[in-house]
Amino acid sequence: EIVLTQSPGTLSLSPGERATLSCRASQSISSSYLAWYQQKPGQAPRLLIYGASSRATGIPDRFSGSGSGTDFTLTISRLEPEDFAVYYCQQYGSSPLYTFGQGTKLEIK
Amino acid sequence: EVQLVESGGGLVKPGGSLRLSCAASGFTFSSYSMNWVRQAPGKGLEWVSSISVTSSYISYADSVKGRFTVSRDNAKNSLFLQLNSLRAEDTAVYYCARERWRSSDTFEIWGQGTLVTVSS
Repeated sequence: EIVLTQSPGTLSLSPGERATLSCRASQSISSSYLAWYQQKPGQAPRLLIYGASSRATGIPDRFSGSGSGTDFTLTISRLEPEDFAVYYCQQYGSSPLYTFGQGTKLEIK
Repeated sequence: EVQLVESGGGLVKPGGSLRLSCAASGFTFSSYSMNWVRQAPGKGLEWVSSISVTSSYISYADSVKGRFTVSRDNAKNSLFLQLNSLRAEDTAVYYCARERWRSSDTFEIWGQGTLVTVSS
């Protein structure tokens, strides 16, 4: 089973700052099958990035994804107030079919 | 508008059963694989089950295998999840989620979720 470990658990930043979130896999995964989601309290998750670096429809270009193998990164170039939320990475393809990281909470400093 | 609306959640005793439904609209339901993902209170996301377009391919997480059954009715644009032998650890918000077009690697569209609480 592939385990995704996200770091940090909580990230405290101010609007306008740059956020860098990490997702590390316990074994190498195809970058085609790494995605990122944003979830705000009381809401369903929203797909941000698929294929490690492709933005989903309607996602602002301040969100970017990168990485390969076992190390992947979600970067938010300049934080807006609405970006403070929990972020999850997710992989596809290994038993179980889909796994999620435990999440990174991005909070206002 | 593309939309998924779950229903059927509620309070059930351990060992009990529940059937969740997900009504799809705004897209050609019969062309997409569908999924169930759950989230225990205050916890992260856990994939539960997937079903292909024609129901020919079905997969479950080990934690629910043998207890949950996924199905779909393309004529009624609906997805279902039958939950049997429920346990306290099945307490969660259950989301239905649609794949990206022709790509089962991600969950592109999500419903608002329905809460299942297993407690005596």
